[in-house]
Amino acid sequence: SQQGEEDPQALSIQEGENATMNCSYKTSINNLQWYRQNSGRGLVHLILIRSNEREKHSGRLRVTLDTSKKSSSLLITASRAADTASYFCATDAGGAQKLVFGQGTRLTINP
Amino acid sequence: DGGITQSPKYLFRKEGQNVTLSCEQNLNHDAMYWYRQDPGQGLRLIYYSQIVNDFQKGDIAEGYSVSREKKESFPLTVTSAQKNPTAFYLCASSGQGANNEQFFGPGTRLTVL
Repeated sequence: SQQGEEDPQALSIQEGENATMNCSYKTSINNLQWYRQNSGRGLVHLILIRSNEREKHSGRLRVTLDTSKKSSSLLITASRAADTASYFCATDAGGAQKLVFGQGTRLTINP
Repeated sequence: DGGITQSPKYLFRKEGQNVTLSCEQNLNHDAMYWYRQDPGQGLRLIYYSQIVNDFQKGDIAEGYSVSREKKESFPLTVTSAQKNPTAFYLCASSGQGANNEQFFGPGTRLTVL
């Protein structure tokens, strides 16, 4: 069963605006990761946040983690057309190095 | 260049045929994974291998088989027992231990005619 649930399923914004995606999960984790997938391609790792971290930044990306609420958010600031992709959260709740992926958020940046 | 490759990019199969998808990595990773992705959906784990000559079933292993004879290679066979094999197949690899990201190949799109 899916561990992560992303919200919203689809998001369409204007270039330059900020995009926020949320992920909820069900069981305790050691870390949570965010990946990006361009249409018809493989996934690319964006950022990993450990369970003892609350916030992490990487360039225009900001990830937060609230283990008490079992949720995470990914914020992309000053969005660009090239950010158009699907974004997935994945947790290590599967154990033995297995990742469990959510169903993803499809982000569209309109020029 | 270090990376993970999959071939072919597109594959067409007639019903009742077995097909094998290739996955190769030169990242010196111990762990390798196969996922299935259906349109508009997330990834579901088919099989994974943490070390050579060992592999475990994932969430949807029925109708699939794998081998791990070499560290660099983790081929996936889609057998005729898989009732709905049309999908996008992704291979990934990672280092050992927790807190490791997975590196993905470009995927193989399998279509059953």
